[in-house]
Amino acid sequence: DIQMTQSPSSLSASVGDRVTITCQASQDISNYLNWYQQKPGKAPKLLIYDASNLETGVPSRFSGSGSGTDFTFTISSLQPEDIATYYCQQYDNLLLFGPGTKVDIK
Amino acid sequence: QLQLQESGPGLVKPSETLSLTCTVSGGSISSSSYYWGWIRQPPGKGLEWIGSIYYSGSTYYNPSLKSRVTISVDTSKNQFSLKLSSVTAADTAVYYCARQGPSPGTCYRWGQGTLVTVSS
Repeated sequence: DIQMTQSPSSLSASVGDRVTITCQASQDISNYLNWYQQKPGKAPKLLIYDASNLETGVPSRFSGSGSGTDFTFTISSLQPEDIATYYCQQYDNLLLFGPGTKVDIK
Repeated sequence: QLQLQESGPGLVKPSETLSLTCTVSGGSISSSSYYWGWIRQPPGKGLEWIGSIYYSGSTYYNPSLKSRVTISVDTSKNQFSLKLSSVTAADTAVYYCARQGPSPGTCYRWGQGTLVTVSS
């Protein structure tokens, strides 16, 4: 079975900071990797699909990269509205979400 | 714009069957070559995919839940449904329905979610 890990599990950063989250799969998943944002009390929202493609309407400060087993999600300049938990999700073999990374403002 | 809305009992007794319906508006399930999925989130925890159904009725299920899950689609009502049998407290969660793509890998649009508590 594929396992997904994310690091860090939580982080605090200042407005304007560059924020990077990593996601690792236990086996090669090519680029079958999505990133979601979930704000408190809300449903998740798709931000990045196929590892690096920005979903329509999502601000360009969000980006994703990687393939195989190692993936990166970046917020180029953290904004107050970016406070949320971010999940990676693989779909090489059915669907599996990573454990999430909680992002706070310092 | 496509919208999804979950509905069903908020409280289910242990050992009984949890039943939820997702009503789709702003688009037709039968005219779209999409998968439709269910995802859940226990309080304070992460996301777990439950299963997905194509508009024609073919299904994929999470192996860890497969023995207890049935997902069906009713194109006449523009709805798809989830049944989870023999529930326990561990099934307490917010249940989301979602519109996926031509393959079930990506959840493009989500319902607001509904909390189901399993308790006697």
